[in-house]
Amino acid sequence: DQQVKQNSPSLSVQEGRISILNCDYTNSMFDYFLWYKKYPAEGPTFLISISSIKDKNEDGRFTVFLNKSAKHLSLHIVPSQPGDSAVYFCAASVNSGNQFYFGTGTSLTVIP
Amino acid sequence: ETGVTQTPRHLVMGMTNKKSLKCEQHLGHNAMYWYKQSAKKPLELMFVYNFKEQTENNSVPSRFSPECPNSSHLFLHLHTLQPEDSALYLCASSPGVRAGGQETQYFGPGTRLLVL
Repeated sequence: DQQVKQNSPSLSVQEGRISILNCDYTNSMFDYFLWYKKYPAEGPTFLISISSIKDKNEDGRFTVFLNKSAKHLSLHIVPSQPGDSAVYFCAASVNSGNQFYFGTGTSLTVIP
Repeated sequence: ETGVTQTPRHLVMGMTNKKSLKCEQHLGHNAMYWYKQSAKKPLELMFVYNFKEQTENNSVPSRFSPECPNSSHLFLHLHTLQPEDSALYLCASSPGVRAGGQETQYFGPGTRLLVL
């Protein structure tokens, strides 16, 4: 049973516009969430994280929003750039421990 | 060299072979992980070592055998694998739960394994 779900396998966005990637989870005990970005033939690269005590965390063009009541988080990329084209994974853990549960990923294509 | 490195990057092996995957981290971390990534599936955690002690083993078949000789090195020994074991094997490291703070994991580039 998958505890972290990314229901959109792919997303295409025009350069300069906003990309919104979504992630849903089922375990209310999750308290730490991360987004990773993965290019082909490379391992996932840490992008941004959020603790459950916050509802928003921003780092440059990347903002993660957490809605605990809906068990939903999203990653906003503004403005989107062609170099952002990659697969994005969300992940969650319990008690900030070191067992993470990953989603299946969303492939983002930013069209120049 | 910085970050997390993995060798080999690609491996083709027969079902009767024995091979090993190697991972090395240069981040001063105390926890290391093996993940399996199959097509269209989420990353599956296989093994966790925290301060050189194995703390998780998620029902992984015994044909996969991990070894963590020190906090910088992690091996995955492979023996009599099946074709369905073909996947991308990713190593990761993190500060370690005793280190305090959030356990952000940093990944290596992976080993693409094909079992014939």
